[in-house]
Amino acid sequence: DIQMTQSPSSLTASVGDRVTITCRASQSISRNFNWYQQKPGKAPKLLIYGASTLQSGVPSRFSGSGSGTDFTLAISSLQPEDFATYYCQQSYSAPWTFGQGTEVEIK
Amino acid sequence: EVQLVESGGDLVQPGGSLRLSCAASGFTFKNNWMTWVRQAPGKGLEWVANIKSDGSEIYYADSVRGRFTISRDNAENSLYLQMNSLRGGDTALYYCARIIQPPDYRYYIDVWGKGTTVTVSS
Repeated sequence: DIQMTQSPSSLTASVGDRVTITCRASQSISRNFNWYQQKPGKAPKLLIYGASTLQSGVPSRFSGSGSGTDFTLAISSLQPEDFATYYCQQSYSAPWTFGQGTEVEIK
Repeated sequence: EVQLVESGGDLVQPGGSLRLSCAASGFTFKNNWMTWVRQAPGKGLEWVANIKSDGSEIYYADSVRGRFTISRDNAENSLYLQMNSLRGGDTALYYCARIIQPPDYRYYIDVWGKGTTVTVSS
């Protein structure tokens, strides 16, 4: 099975900060890789698919990069509504796997 | 509007069974792969199973293989998850979700239901 390791597991940042979250796959997954955002009590929401394609309606301050084993989610200027938990996920092969999540908290 | 509505979650004793349903609307259900993803209380997301648009391909997480069965009825626009031999570790919010399969086969989940809660306890 492909393991997905996210870091950090949590971070504290201020509105306007640039934030980056990384995810590493235990083997190469090409660009079969996605990012989701989840707010408390809500279903996850797709942010980025194919490692770098922004889902329709997602603000342009979100961006994704990477291929192979190393991937990054960046938020260029953190907004109040961005405080949430972020998950990476590989769809390269079954079983699909998620990272353990990164909780972004307000400083 | 694309919508997925799960139902069937309940409190069940260990060893018991439960069948979850997911009603899809707002899109051509028979064209999409579908998936179940679960989330234990206070924990992260765990993929459970995928089923191809016509039901001809199915994949399971190791943790549920042999106990859970994913199925679909394209005529009824419905997805199901039959859960047998339930354990405490199966306690979770279960999400039904739509998979997008683009031409480059870089699958992703684009629409999620609100989830249905399964609690396994005596």
